[in-house]
Amino acid sequence: QVQLVQSGAEVKKPGASVKVSCKAYGYTFSNYYFHWVRQAPGQGLEWMGMINPSSGRTAYAHRFQGRVTLTRDTSTTTVYMELSSLRSEDRAVYYCARDRGSVCGAECFLSEYLEHWGQGTLVSVSS
Amino acid sequence: DIRMTQSPSSLSASVGDRVTITCRASQSIDNNLNWYQQKPGRAPKVLIYAASTLQSGVPSRFRGSGSGTEFTLTISSLQPEDFASYYCQQSSSAPRFSFGPGTKVGIK
Repeated sequence: QVQLVQSGAEVKKPGASVKVSCKAYGYTFSNYYFHWVRQAPGQGLEWMGMINPSSGRTAYAHRFQGRVTLTRDTSTTTVYMELSSLRSEDRAVYYCARDRGSVCGAECFLSEYLEHWGQGTLVSVSS
Repeated sequence: DIRMTQSPSSLSASVGDRVTITCRASQSIDNNLNWYQQKPGRAPKVLIYAASTLQSGVPSRFRGSGSGTEFTLTISSLQPEDFASYYCQQSSSAPRFSFGPGTKVGIK
């Protein structure tokens, strides 16, 4: 069955970067889009961006543009989210999620819905 | 970018109550609207996709409706396990897919 397993909690200093991994099991990795969603303590869900695992092409929410980088490694069926220039407001649980929608081409993005989720990774930012 | 709003932001209800949550989009998204349930400390899970299609395994007391810019999630008879937060999400405007701010359903 489909399973997404994320890396463990991180503590970073302001201004540093963090890289969170999400390893996928149980299906053909390149066939379905991945998204990253974060949730600050007591707050709602915030969509950060998505990656086409076949082509590696990415799209980001405007507020994270320039600060977030999504990558993937098809050999290990793992996607990564790197967030730079961390500040205290970036303290949150970061989730990867796999879309129900199949990849429609190298340059194509779509979403049906976020069907499978990782367990979440808490990133804390503290001096 | 498409902005999503939800109302109410929170509500208190009793077991057996009928509960309705509204989600609005800043522009038409046809039926590209999904509903998620999230319990504390857990990842969200999809309840309804394409505005009105029940995800496999989700109880039939959950119902989604609407199209265009206004959508509703209805729980026909609230059960103890339904006390949670609920989020709508639009899947219309590729490649940016925003969530609503959420509705917390608490116990009266």
